[in-house]
Amino acid sequence: RKEVEQDPGPFNVPEGATVAFNCTYSNSASQSFFWYRQDCRKEPKLLMSVYSSGNEDGRFTAQLNRASQYISLLIRDSKLSDSATYLCVVRPSGNTPLVFGKGTRLSVIA
Amino acid sequence: NAGVMQNPRHLVRRRGQEARLRCSPMKGHSHVYWYRQLPEEGLKFMVYLQKENIIDESGMPKERFSAEFPKEGPSILRIQQVVRGDSAAYFCASSDLTASNYGYTFGSGTRLTVV
Repeated sequence: RKEVEQDPGPFNVPEGATVAFNCTYSNSASQSFFWYRQDCRKEPKLLMSVYSSGNEDGRFTAQLNRASQYISLLIRDSKLSDSATYLCVVRPSGNTPLVFGKGTRLSVIA
Repeated sequence: NAGVMQNPRHLVRRRGQEARLRCSPMKGHSHVYWYRQLPEEGLKFMVYLQKENIIDESGMPKERFSAEFPKEGPSILRIQQVVRGDSAAYFCASSDLTASNYGYTFGSGTRLTVV
């Protein structure tokens, strides 16, 4: 089983739609969780951390389910500029390096 | 307040040559991580360094690849005798010791093409 698994997509959605991405991780002791965004031929950029209680940043909502080892990202009112690859990222423990999923590609269409 | 600086942005090498990729961490950061992203693939961890020490090199190929982070100057990822399969984007990230609950900041990457 891969450490971090994501549906690769692509997800093609119209502007204004709500879209959700899911991610599962294999290490139950994992401590920190993040969503990154990567535009084509660019570096990954931190979108948001994911907390056990769930957290929201504008149109973006992240949820963590430790029992199911499952992370989600919800994007409301999609914009054309949201088109990118979204990377699910997990830190297994302490100061160990971050482990990246392969990403889910989103295309928002006018 | 410069971020993580990587150079060169693009590097073309012929098979058998050496490639040197440089990374200057954010000011005040003493931890450097190198990742490789093959075309259409996810980021794969290669090596984690602190000043003058390699902390974790579990993702580094055993041959031809080496990394250092000297007391002075940038971190260097060195690939000897490059092959076509080394063509990829190489990203460097940095953090400080207190950043365990935070993600990394990445540099813009070096895109290595082996011809």
